[in-house]
Amino acid sequence: DIQMTQSPSSLSASVGDRVTITCRASQAISNDLGWYQQKPGKAPKRLLYAAFYLQSGVPSRFSGSGSGTEFTLTISSLQPEDFATYYCLQHNSYPLTFGGGTKVEI
Amino acid sequence: QLQLQESGPGLVKPSETLSLTCTVSGDSISSSSYKWGWIRQPPGKGLEWIGGINYGGTSQYNPSLKSRITISLDTSKNQFSLKLTSVTAADTAVYYCARLYDPWGQGILVTVSS
Repeated sequence: DIQMTQSPSSLSASVGDRVTITCRASQAISNDLGWYQQKPGKAPKRLLYAAFYLQSGVPSRFSGSGSGTEFTLTISSLQPEDFATYYCLQHNSYPLTFGGGTKVEI
Repeated sequence: QLQLQESGPGLVKPSETLSLTCTVSGDSISSSSYKWGWIRQPPGKGLEWIGGINYGGTSQYNPSLKSRITISLDTSKNQFSLKLTSVTAADTAVYYCARLYDPWGQGILVTVSS
């Protein structure tokens, strides 16, 4: 199985901050990675696919980069509605695996 | 607009079988080239992929659950389903269905308890 190591597991930030979250794959996954945002009591919502393509309707302050084994989600200027938990998902090979999550808190 | 909705019992007894259905609207599961899948999330924890199936009926399962899982399609109802046998308290979770890899259904909490 491909292990996805996500860091940090939590972070405290303020509105307007630049936030960076990293996912590291235990083996190369090309760019077969998505980033998801989950708010309490809600289903995860995909923000980016293929590592850096923005899902339709997602604000441009979200961006992604990386290929191979190291990937980054960046929020350029944190907004109040961005306080949530973020997950990466690799779909390069089965079983699909998620990162452990990053909780972004005030 | 594609929508998915999970349904099934919210309470299952230990050792019994958990059965959930996902009803899809806005796309045909039999004609789509997408895969359809199930993901779960124990309370307060992270996400775990359970398995998936394509329009041709070929399925892939998480090896950690493989011996207990069946995922199937019902094209006449535009639904797909999950069966998980011999459940224990560790199977208590919110279960999501999804068109891999987006969108997801709203999720259904299934509690395993006597």
